[in-house]
Amino acid sequence: KAGVTQTPRYLIKTRGQQVTLSCSPISGHRSVSWYQQTPGQGLQFLFEYFSETQRNKGNFPGRFSGRQFSNSRSEMNVSTLELGDSALYLCASSLSTGGADTFGSGTRLTVV
Amino acid sequence: GIQVEQSPPDLILQEGANSTLRCNFSDSVNNLQWFHQNPWGQLINLFYIPSGTKQNGRLSATTVATERYSLLYISSSQTTDSGVYFCAVLYSGAGSYQLTFGKGTKLSVIP
Repeated sequence: KAGVTQTPRYLIKTRGQQVTLSCSPISGHRSVSWYQQTPGQGLQFLFEYFSETQRNKGNFPGRFSGRQFSNSRSEMNVSTLELGDSALYLCASSLSTGGADTFGSGTRLTVV
Repeated sequence: GIQVEQSPPDLILQEGANSTLRCNFSDSVNNLQWFHQNPWGQLINLFYIPSGTKQNGRLSATTVATERYSLLYISSSQTTDSGVYFCAVLYSGAGSYQLTFGKGTKLSVIP
């Protein structure tokens, strides 16, 4: 079966711009969670969506938002980009909420 | 918030050796997971283990929830085991569940 697909794989943006990342979960998985990974802060939970509703949220500012569509695909948006938003953004899909079953390969975002 | 500490931070092993990685957490948790991130950045879920012991091939994990720690055992290590091992706990705080990760143990297996 197909894995978790994240697009794009790499992205370069300028400070102040906004960006949208996409995550297509494994077929049948209704939960999608998002994570930020940086060398300084490590892996941090952003938020989780299940059946088009945000179920859980981490400690990130409102510039970070997301949504989930009826086919369980999810998008994450970051507005007013800052240099510190440069990171590997990972999504995971799961059968139920509260965990991370299978991760995608990630989107590497560089803000210049 | 909850604190998750992993030890050791770095580990170098000869191929064929065994190792034990530890994860301590500061509060009661709803669940615990172990992950492996390979050198190319791919994260793999190894175990869901809120309590008890599980085994999968050369890997096994034990969580003692009452004492707030978990252990990951790797036996007969292979070079493909290299990478970073993360422990993450599912914690309920401020009305929301969060998966909180430790800083990881970087394992290098040399032939």
